[in-house]
Amino acid sequence: QSVLTQPPSVSEAPRQRVTISCSGSSSNIGNNAVNWYQQLPGKAPKLLIYYDDLLPSGVSDRFSGSKSGTSASLAISGLQSEDEADYYCAAWDDSLNGYVFGTGTKVTVL
Amino acid sequence: QVQLVQSGAEVKKPGASVKVSCKASGYTFTSYGISWVRQAPGQGLEWMGWISAYNGNTNYAQKLQGRVTMTTDTSTSTAYMELRSLRSDDTAVYYCARGCSSTSCYNGLDYWGQGTLVTVSS
Repeated sequence: QSVLTQPPSVSEAPRQRVTISCSGSSSNIGNNAVNWYQQLPGKAPKLLIYYDDLLPSGVSDRFSGSKSGTSASLAISGLQSEDEADYYCAAWDDSLNGYVFGTGTKVTVL
Repeated sequence: QVQLVQSGAEVKKPGASVKVSCKASGYTFTSYGISWVRQAPGQGLEWMGWISAYNGNTNYAQKLQGRVTMTTDTSTSTAYMELRSLRSDDTAVYYCARGCSSTSCYNGLDYWGQGTLVTVSS
């Protein structure tokens, strides 16, 4: 059972904007950086956001991350069919002394 | 370019052990740690632990302490993950990924292997 909670699914029409929330606690999000991963069907995860809001080289600027207190969010603007995937937040947890992933959110483009 | 190439699929019986390899290329192997992450069928991602490719220090997930061992061979730039006393709920795709440290993961896991399916079945 994950300590980071995400909505199971979100859906929106093409070219619209979606936001995925990630709720944690003071031992993880509240005190450590949040990373976000995209997992396309049948593929390995891909790093989308690191250190709360930074984009790795090559990642589209349609993706953005933010954090406030013990919660974080991933936003996808200009939604495209290729964005259909599972998205996971992750952060270090000081109490567990380990890296924890969120429950995952499936994004569907209507 | 950075690549992590994992060994092939395995089928094991309950109680057996499995050892998955992850060969790195395209960067200085000892400059980064390797994390292992698994994903059961239809489920989310689970961090299993981390090993320093520099000095072999490890940090294992509490849930797997005593059953998992991570090692590296710097001469071949290869990381290994061995899981013992396999159970049916260990059936999963196992990934190696570059990044994290013993106490943090600010920069995330930036490169991933292709995954290795381990099936535990009698």
